[in-house]
Amino acid sequence: KNEVEQSPQNLTAQEGEFITINCSYSVGISALHWLQQHPGGGIVSLFMLSSGKKKHGRLIATINIQEKHSSLHITASHPRDSAVYICAVILGDNDMRFGAGTRLTVKP
Amino acid sequence: DGGITQSPKYLFRKEGQNVTLSCEQNLNHDAMYWYRQDPGQGLRLIYYSQIVNDFQKGDIAEGYSVSREKKESFPLTVTSAQKNPTAFYLCASSILGGQPQHFGDGTRLSIL
Repeated sequence: KNEVEQSPQNLTAQEGEFITINCSYSVGISALHWLQQHPGGGIVSLFMLSSGKKKHGRLIATINIQEKHSSLHITASHPRDSAVYICAVILGDNDMRFGAGTRLTVKP
Repeated sequence: DGGITQSPKYLFRKEGQNVTLSCEQNLNHDAMYWYRQDPGQGLRLIYYSQIVNDFQKGDIAEGYSVSREKKESFPLTVTSAQKNPTAFYLCASSILGGQPQHFGDGTRLSIL
């Protein structure tokens, strides 16, 4: 079993819909990272959080350390949000474990 | 603008040949990392380096080699010993003691 599990693997939404991507992990972590991988392959850091909630524009990330779970929400989704979203947990120095990613497609 | 440059974006090589992937950063970061990405799997760490002239093996170092002669550069060589080299390779960097937050655009390697 992977240490980091994301769901769903694939997600298709209509423009304007509220999106939720989930990440569950089975190990103790110091922080969790949400990343966005563009269709070309480049990766951009969205959030790093160790507790509570963070918001940036239409993106919201939450984490529940006790339940070992994090969610990434996208409000008012747009076709340009189409990408692979990756959850990564930080176990320690230079020790980061990645989920397999959630492929999001937002249709106009 | 500071960032990480990986080249080339696509690379084709014949089986049995060594191939070197380039990674350059102008972020003045001390730490650099190489990851491999396969379909349906999370990124896996190949090698990382926290300082010039020093590097450590990651989870899947076999069949790969690296060097860190300059702070800005961390090239990865995929040797002929790597049994299944076809993959997408990502380079990342961070400040010392931090976590990789800056990634390159990747190199897709295909072995013919």
